[in-house]
Amino acid sequence: AQKITQTQPGMFVQEKEAVTLDCTYDTSDQSYGLFWYKQPSSGEMIFLIYQGSYDEQNATEGRYSLNFQKARKSANLVISASQLGDSAMYFCAMREGRSGNQFYFGTGTSLTVIP
Amino acid sequence: KAGVTQTPRYLIKTRGQQVTLSCSPISGHRSVSWYQQTPGQGLQFLFEYFSETQRNKGNFPGRFSGRQFSNSRSEMNVSTLELGDSALYLCASSLLFSGTSGKMGTQYFGPGTRLTVL
Repeated sequence: AQKITQTQPGMFVQEKEAVTLDCTYDTSDQSYGLFWYKQPSSGEMIFLIYQGSYDEQNATEGRYSLNFQKARKSANLVISASQLGDSAMYFCAMREGRSGNQFYFGTGTSLTVIP
Repeated sequence: KAGVTQTPRYLIKTRGQQVTLSCSPISGHRSVSWYQQTPGQGLQFLFEYFSETQRNKGNFPGRFSGRQFSNSRSEMNVSTLELGDSALYLCASSLLFSGTSGKMGTQYFGPGTRLTVL
C-alpha cells in the first residue's frame, strides 16, 4: 500500500485565490511527522510546513496552512492568496517513528497559478 | 547559514562508467539522505547516513553505494551506469536522526545533481 497518496496530478488556481492540495497517508504508528515540500522547475525541494501527529493545532507558516484530520489520515495543504511564484510541484511526505528518518513521498501535485 | 550544496550540478556519462556525487549538509546537521527522482518512479529513497553509519537503505541494487565522512559530508557512487540511472539525485540533511525528533528531523534538500547516462 502507498504510504502517501496525492490524488491530484494537476491543479489550477486563479492568482490571489486560495487552493487546497490533498494528501492522505497510511501508517499504523502513533508517532509520525507530515511535511509538505515545493519543487519549482529548478529542481530544488523547498520545505514548507510540518505537522506532528501529536500536534493538536493545525500548523501554519505564513500563507501555508495544513488541514490535519488525524482520524481521516489526511494532511491537506492550503495556500492562501496564491501568487504566480507558487506555480510548482508540491509533495506531501511522511516520516514514521519506527523507520527513523526515512521519508515517504507522494507522487506530487503540479500547481499552476493563472494571472 | 548556508544550505545544502551538491556537486556537480550536471553530469553526462556513458553506460558502464561510474560516477561520484557529493553533498555537503547544512552546518551542524549530522544526517544525510539521498534520493533518486525520475518522471516515471517519482522520488525514491536511496540511503541515509548518520554519524558516518548507514542507518537506512532503500531498494536499490548494490551498484548504488554511499558513505559519510567525519565532517558529515557525504558521497554517493553509482558503478556500471545504466541508461535507467538517468535522474535527478537529491541530497537532504537534517539535524537529528530520530523517529521522535519532530520538526527537528525536517529534511532540507540541496539543488540536486542531474545525471544523464548516454
